[in-house]
Amino acid sequence: DAGVIQSPRHEVTEMGQEVTLRCKPISGHDYLFWYRQTMMRGLELLIYFNNNVPIDDSGMPEDRFSAKMPNASFSTLKIQPSEPRDSAVYFCASSPLRAMNTGELFFGEGSRLTVL
Amino acid sequence: AQTVTQSQPEMSVQEAETVTLSCTYDTSESDYYLFWYKQPPSRQMILVIRQEAYKQQNATENRFSVNFQKAAKSFSLKISDSQLGDAAMYFCAYGETSGSRLTFGEGTQLTVNP
Repeated sequence: DAGVIQSPRHEVTEMGQEVTLRCKPISGHDYLFWYRQTMMRGLELLIYFNNNVPIDDSGMPEDRFSAKMPNASFSTLKIQPSEPRDSAVYFCASSPLRAMNTGELFFGEGSRLTVL
Repeated sequence: AQTVTQSQPEMSVQEAETVTLSCTYDTSESDYYLFWYKQPPSRQMILVIRQEAYKQQNATENRFSVNFQKAAKSFSLKISDSQLGDAAMYFCAYGETSGSRLTFGEGTQLTVNP
């Protein structure tokens, strides 16, 4: 089975532009997570979904960030407008219900965002 | 809120030797999970080993083992017979039993010298 697929792998954009990161979770997984990794703050949970419904978005830094999961096989993380401090690696991860009581997450390869 | 601390930003080990990575955490819960994840240069996070807090026996996975000290809130990772492919960033993580949130430590960059 294919793993979690993220696109783009790299994105370079200018301040003020809209950025959309995409994620395809592993088929059959009920949970989807968006994490952000920076040198200063490490790995932070931004938001997670259960069966396409956002459960906890308390980690979303600002209103400039939004995430959607229109169906079980696709999610987006959007930043509008982007700022240089948004530069980071954004990870998507998914997990099946049976693994939720063990905490194992399956990560994608991340999207490296650079905002100039 | 739970916190996870890795006090060693960098560690190095000679190939075939043993290395121990440290992790401490803070929680008021009695039941939880602890993890070590590996992040190689490819960036993908890979689960190395998992420990349930209610289990007294330390988890092992081939060359990887943990020393779980619940009272001290310590969770170290021992890598035996280190291999070049073990070189990576290692993250300690805490997981709640009631939910899905994982809290990660700052990471330890492991270098394996030939």
